[in-house]
Amino acid sequence: KAGVTQTPRYLIKTRGQQVTLSCSPISGHRSVSWYQQTPGQGLQFLFEYFSETQRNKGNFPGRFSGRQFSNSRSEMNVSTLELGDSALYLCASSPQTSGPLEQYFGPGTRLTVT
Amino acid sequence: AQSVTQLGSHVSVSEGALVLLRCNYSSSVPPYLFWYVQYPNQGLQLLLKYTSAATLVKGINGFEAEFKKSETSFHLTKPSAHMSDAAEYFCAVSGTGTASKLTFGTGTRLQVTL
Repeated sequence: KAGVTQTPRYLIKTRGQQVTLSCSPISGHRSVSWYQQTPGQGLQFLFEYFSETQRNKGNFPGRFSGRQFSNSRSEMNVSTLELGDSALYLCASSPQTSGPLEQYFGPGTRLTVT
Repeated sequence: AQSVTQLGSHVSVSEGALVLLRCNYSSSVPPYLFWYVQYPNQGLQLLLKYTSAATLVKGINGFEAEFKKSETSFHLTKPSAHMSDAAEYFCAVSGTGTASKLTFGTGTRLQVTL
């Protein structure tokens, strides 16, 4: 099976702009989670989607949003970008509907905000 | 709230030596625990997971971890380090149920020297 794919891999944006990142989960996986990784804050959970519904949400401002499509592909959007949004954004998919989240991660999208 | 603490942000071992990466958890309920590895410019790869079936868990690449409830620990070990083990390692905890998410430790960078 193909792994989790994320596009684009690298992105440079300017403060105030918005950005959309895409994630295609492993075939058959219905749960998709997003994480932000920065040197200062480490790995932080953004949100999780299951069957097109947001099932869990981390402690991030409303500028961060996401959605999931009927084919389980997911997008996350960050509006009004700030310098502090520069990070590696990781997407992970999981086959489970409940219980331990054995998550499979994509390579990430490296976002640089200037 | 569940959390994990990784002791030591950097660990250096000689090739062939024992690898020991420490992780302590805090959870009011029996947790699910994971170790992930991240190579440069890549996403996270699952090494192993504890889901209460057995206290000694064997993972990929010769790694294993032992769940010790009395010590609230889940340390990662490998009998003999290889140069290819150099990477960053993350311990993570997850609750149960549909609203569970992964909470990561701050990571330990493993250096392997000749």
